[in-house]
Amino acid sequence: TQLLEQSPQFLSIQEGENLTVYCNSSSVFSSLQWYRQEPGEGPVLLVTVVTGGEVKKLKRLTFQFGDARKDSSLHITAAQPGDTGLYLCAGRNYGGSQGNLIFGKGTKLSVKP
Amino acid sequence: NAGVTQTPKFQVLKTGQSMTLQCAQDMNHNSMYWYRQDPGMGLRLIYYSASEGTTDKGEVPNGYNVSRLNKREFSLRLESAAPSQTSVYFCASSELAGAHYEQYFGPGTRLTVT
Repeated sequence: TQLLEQSPQFLSIQEGENLTVYCNSSSVFSSLQWYRQEPGEGPVLLVTVVTGGEVKKLKRLTFQFGDARKDSSLHITAAQPGDTGLYLCAGRNYGGSQGNLIFGKGTKLSVKP
Repeated sequence: NAGVTQTPKFQVLKTGQSMTLQCAQDMNHNSMYWYRQDPGMGLRLIYYSASEGTTDKGEVPNGYNVSRLNKREFSLRLESAAPSQTSVYFCASSELAGAHYEQYFGPGTRLTVT
């Protein structure tokens, strides 16, 4: 069974701090996605990374796909209370059923004002 | 354009009761999915439908059945609910976007089985 391990599991920081969350696997993925989920809502897609070594920026969020396509990181600069939520990574493996994703267990981020 | 809608939003069942969770999408997507989300377990795939007329088991299908009624609608049925099925259930849909499937989720159904 392919697994995506996310760390840390929980993160509580003050507004204005920087943070990085990680998503690691022993398996190679054709693409990796990051979702954010707010309490009482479904996950919302933030980004898809496709190429090994790829870096994508979304305002204060920077996403990186590892060179070997086995891991990814999400870096948030100057975190704000609005960044609070559960961050999920999800990978699509080569040869898998179309559209099927493997999800990590998530990193729960709390940003205090 | 409502995206993915789910009904009901909350449900309490007694052990042994049955119910159907409804899901509809208005994005003309071919693929639809049912997940459950439990604390510390992440999202686990129950069933999926790659296209209208087809359904397949995911990681945790036991105790559930599905119906892809048409391209828009994908329902999940619990025939005899058990406390282990207490969870938050999410429906999602996807279409090929730039060669990678991006999933759109509904708001979830919070189910408690007593």
